[in-house]
Amino acid sequence: GESVGLHLPTLSVQEGDNSIINCAYSNSASDYFIWYKQESGKGPQFIIDIRSNMDKRQGQRVTVLLNKTVKHLSLQIAATQPGDSAVYFCAENTTGANSKLTFGKGITLSVRP
Amino acid sequence: GAVVSQHPSRVICKSGTSVKIECRSLDFQATTMFWYRQFPKKSLMLMATSNEGSKATYEQGVEKDKFLINHASLTLSTLTVTSAHPEDSSFYICSASTGGAYNEQFFGPGTRLTVL
Repeated sequence: GESVGLHLPTLSVQEGDNSIINCAYSNSASDYFIWYKQESGKGPQFIIDIRSNMDKRQGQRVTVLLNKTVKHLSLQIAATQPGDSAVYFCAENTTGANSKLTFGKGITLSVRP
Repeated sequence: GAVVSQHPSRVICKSGTSVKIECRSLDFQATTMFWYRQFPKKSLMLMATSNEGSKATYEQGVEKDKFLINHASLTLSTLTVTSAHPEDSSFYICSASTGGAYNEQFFGPGTRLTVL
């Protein structure tokens, strides 16, 4: 069936380095993608989104890249800080009637001081 | 803007009792609300989608008689876990959407349910 998955379960980076979190999706009909950050015991926090008519979108210290050819999504975090330590989820959505989010498995980002 | 609250944030109950969790959109009207369940170190799994004034649509494998959802107004949805058992212990998260082309969802802080 269709699924959204992440390549690595954990990622450890040095404070100040850049982080890259990757995600593969398999539903070719998905046209909207979102990255969420979830801290322990809290709900998901929106980071950045991208629509299928784009291949790159930048926010504050974050960049999302979308490669529809290989169904790949990535989140880049510049100058990673201890406060970035959390679990990150990618999610895909197919817009239109009955649209709903499908979440990937999640990856834990650990920032070493 | 786009704040969603949940109450309670944490609840402990005895097996066999029912628990109600509230989800409120505080500064916008939500045409659709979603309920998710998240087990430890796992991803969010959609349980059901509810639209104001109509019956909820449940995902496959989710028992509608056990997880009662009421979406009585554009700012409030409730999830009632009936006859709760220890295996229902989980983190329950709601989200609310105003609709629109991309149906952006705003998430609540979650409710930790522990059934003894």
